[in-house]
Amino acid sequence: SQQGEEDPQALSIQEGENATMNCSYKTSINNLQWYRQNSGRGLVHLILIRSNEREKHSGRLRVTLDTSKKSSSLLITASRAADTASYFCATDRTGANNLFFGTGTRLTVIP
Amino acid sequence: EAQVTQNPRYLITVTGKKLTVTCSQNMNHEYMSWYRQDPGLGLRQIYYSMNVEVTDKGDVPEGYKVSRKEKRNFPLILESPSPNQTSLYFCASRTSSDREGYTFGSGTRLTVV
Repeated sequence: SQQGEEDPQALSIQEGENATMNCSYKTSINNLQWYRQNSGRGLVHLILIRSNEREKHSGRLRVTLDTSKKSSSLLITASRAADTASYFCATDRTGANNLFFGTGTRLTVIP
Repeated sequence: EAQVTQNPRYLITVTGKKLTVTCSQNMNHEYMSWYRQDPGLGLRQIYYSMNVEVTDKGDVPEGYKVSRKEKRNFPLILESPSPNQTSLYFCASRTSSDREGYTFGSGTRLTVV
């Protein structure tokens, strides 16, 4: 069963614009993680935010977490064509020893 | 280089012919896991292992077996593959800490005809 649901399913923007993706989940979590996947390739870990954190930054990435709403957002600033990929949120659920993925957001950055 | 290595990268096989997909990590990670990825369904966990000789079922374990005899290796075994196991498979690992993300392999694209 999937924990996360990303919104939107697909997003197309111009290079230089910001991209925002949202994720909702259903149960208590230890942490929430964001991953990137280039077409058919392995997933690359981008950032992890713990349940007691509200915001985290890494380079051009900004992640927020609202545990009361069971939601998270990933903001990519000043997007580049190389950011074109699918982005997944994944939840490390309290009491479980596995990671549950959403269905992803397909981001296209147009040069 | 720290990595998770899966083999083979691509595999086409026939129904019922036993196969093994290997997974090896060089980071001394305790935790390893297998996922399958299917269009519209996202990634679903098949099996995971907390450490040597400790394995447990994920969301979709039917038709699969795993073993963890060594810390670095976590092979996925399909005793009698069926066409519904055609998928993209990923192995992943992480430390025992919940402060770190997972490292994924490059994937194995399996086709069962």
